Amino acid sequence: GQNIDQPTEMTATEGAIVQINCTYQTSGFNGLFWYQQHAGEAPTFLSYNVLDGLEEKGRFSSFLSRSKGYSYLLLKELQMKDSASYLCAVRSRDDKIIFGKGTRLHILP
Amino acid sequence: DAGVTQSPTHLIKTRGQQVTLRCSPKSGHDTVSWYQQALGQGPQFIFQYYEEEERQRGNFPDRFSGHQFPNYSSELNVNALLLGDSALYLCASSPTTLTRSRSSYEQYFGPGTRLTVT
Repeated sequence: GQNIDQPTEMTATEGAIVQINCTYQTSGFNGLFWYQQHAGEAPTFLSYNVLDGLEEKGRFSSFLSRSKGYSYLLLKELQMKDSASYLCAVRSRDDKIIFGKGTRLHILP
Repeated sequence: DAGVTQSPTHLIKTRGQQVTLRCSPKSGHDTVSWYQQALGQGPQFIFQYYEEEERQRGNFPDRFSGHQFPNYSSELNVNALLLGDSALYLCASSPTTLTRSRSSYEQYFGPGTRLTVT
């Protein structure tokens, strides 16, 4: 079966660092996405990992371990505008993209 | 360069009716995917169109059908609407390259159509 798990909600403080975890079990693996989605808006692309390791893009970094079926999104120097839902999605062997339910991140001043 | 566009923005229908949603992909993209997103949930894959054919399909009933036109734009049709079909319908486009390079996997979402079935 296909399963993607991520925490439902997280809270962090402005200026701090937060790590959002994602574990997956899918029929094959062709890559993992992270998207950001503000309430009432469409998801926007953050990162795409195919190989193991950490990829850094500004304040955001994404890590992948294919052997463990695990990824995380790391957000540094949190800003109030980072309050949003963060979606983990896996591209399966047959090229379908399966999304998790998303993690709602609340940033406190 | 226009991104992915969708119409209409909002729509209210009653049970049993039929609805058509439209999507124009980002310039240079030839693959269109449709997703349904219920409140508080992640997007659920409905189907994907490439070269005017349905290439992949998620676990949605036949009431959900689609079409892709020669200009790569796409329509999603839902027949016999149910209350449970109320959701945000997202269209996403992506390029397809023979080399399947990293950039070919980037998907860009449109703003969505909010469908309410009463």
